[in-house]
Amino acid sequence: DTGVSQDPRHKITKRGQNVTFRCDPISEHNRLYWYRQTLGQGPEFLTYFQNEAQLEKSRLLSDRFSAERPKGSFSTLEIQRTEQGDSAMYLCASSLNDGTYGYTFGSGTRLTVV
Amino acid sequence: DAKTTQPPSMDCAEGRAANLPCNHSTISGNEYVYWYRQIHSQGPQYIIHGLKNNETNEMASLIITEDRKSSTLILPHATLRDTAVYYCLVKTSYDKVIFGPGTSLSVIP
Repeated sequence: DTGVSQDPRHKITKRGQNVTFRCDPISEHNRLYWYRQTLGQGPEFLTYFQNEAQLEKSRLLSDRFSAERPKGSFSTLEIQRTEQGDSAMYLCASSLNDGTYGYTFGSGTRLTVV
Repeated sequence: DAKTTQPPSMDCAEGRAANLPCNHSTISGNEYVYWYRQIHSQGPQYIIHGLKNNETNEMASLIITEDRKSSTLILPHATLRDTAVYYCLVKTSYDKVIFGPGTSLSVIP
């Protein structure tokens, strides 16, 4: 297992377009988290799943954002009608149960909305 | 809101110990202290965590004061590859990880 994989690494899109990111967690990890990070700031929590159930969503996750984890394995994060303010690094992490021994993060997807 | 305060930046000479402080004066009895770091253009990396006792692993040592209101992360022999942003956070075993602004550590040759 090579850790948490995110695809793509970089995405440039025009304002108003829809984008979808994929995260493949560590296979035995049942929890999966999405974070967003802008330049100079720490990562901000967006949402998390336990298996296929989405258990919590931040108020940062507007109606244009949707996340799924249909079979409790990989997850997708979709942003509809992108805005310039959506430009950020989107990070995925996974953990075994509540992550007492830490989360494992992927390298992120950098989104640029032009 | 972040429950910890850290200095925004620190420098450390290569080969010397890097001591990164963190204040968490409102920590609850069931909250752990965690440290993560983020090297430029990568995702955060878990370093270490502790509840009351000092902890050591292959990456670092964590010293928690007796009153648990502050802690120090020690990198015993800092290398250039330790240049990163270091995040201290407190959480219970079931809370999600919430990051503050962290400390930007520069290891200088």
